[in-house]
Amino acid sequence: DSGVTQTPKHLITATGQRVTLRCSPRSGDLSVYWYQQSLDQGLQFLIQYYNGEERAKGNILERFSAQQFPDLHSELNLSSLELGDSALYFCASNERGVGETQYFGPGTRLLVL
Amino acid sequence: AQKITQTQPGMFVQEKEAVTLDCTYDTSDPSYGLFWYKQPSSGEMIFLIYQGSYDQQNATEGRYSLNFQKARKSANLVISASQLGDSAMYFCAMRGVTGGGNKLTFGTGTQLKVEL
Repeated sequence: DSGVTQTPKHLITATGQRVTLRCSPRSGDLSVYWYQQSLDQGLQFLIQYYNGEERAKGNILERFSAQQFPDLHSELNLSSLELGDSALYFCASNERGVGETQYFGPGTRLLVL
Repeated sequence: AQKITQTQPGMFVQEKEAVTLDCTYDTSDPSYGLFWYKQPSSGEMIFLIYQGSYDQQNATEGRYSLNFQKARKSANLVISASQLGDSAMYFCAMRGVTGGGNKLTFGTGTQLKVEL
């Protein structure tokens, strides 16, 4: 158990809908990362937050947004969902946001029908 | 841009044997880190081992060791005394500083199957 929690574990929804994925980092970690794992794209970095501020952005679609709250938990919002958004979404965390190992949560498996 | 290449889509190894999973990388960053993660069929990503680009010695963690050859830009994972529980997907990843932040770039993974 990495100490990173993600809810829900599974999510099934329809095209055009909006969902919110939630992540709680390990105790003491200030930085949160979101990754998407899909069959065609592999594992891709989406976005990083450090202590509430956006730190780095990767291949995140405009339909997706994220934020990190004062209690350091993070949410990834996916809207106008398409079939191709079906994937495993991981949250990871580390303490300072630079250099150290990222510890991954169990992931949220999203299926868009 | 950073790139990680894992050329072995699948590998088989017999229980108790050692196995090497290949990883090559490309980066223009002067400082970077290399990681290996394990993903069992249940889906979670488990951190195994880390090697910094300036580390003089190869990293080891229990049965895992990282064969780091900087000049060849390779960071192969060696698993000694394979166990059935080692059957999983293994990902090599790189952390660089270009563009800020601390993002990981992953390879496509190697599916390892340990046989009796």
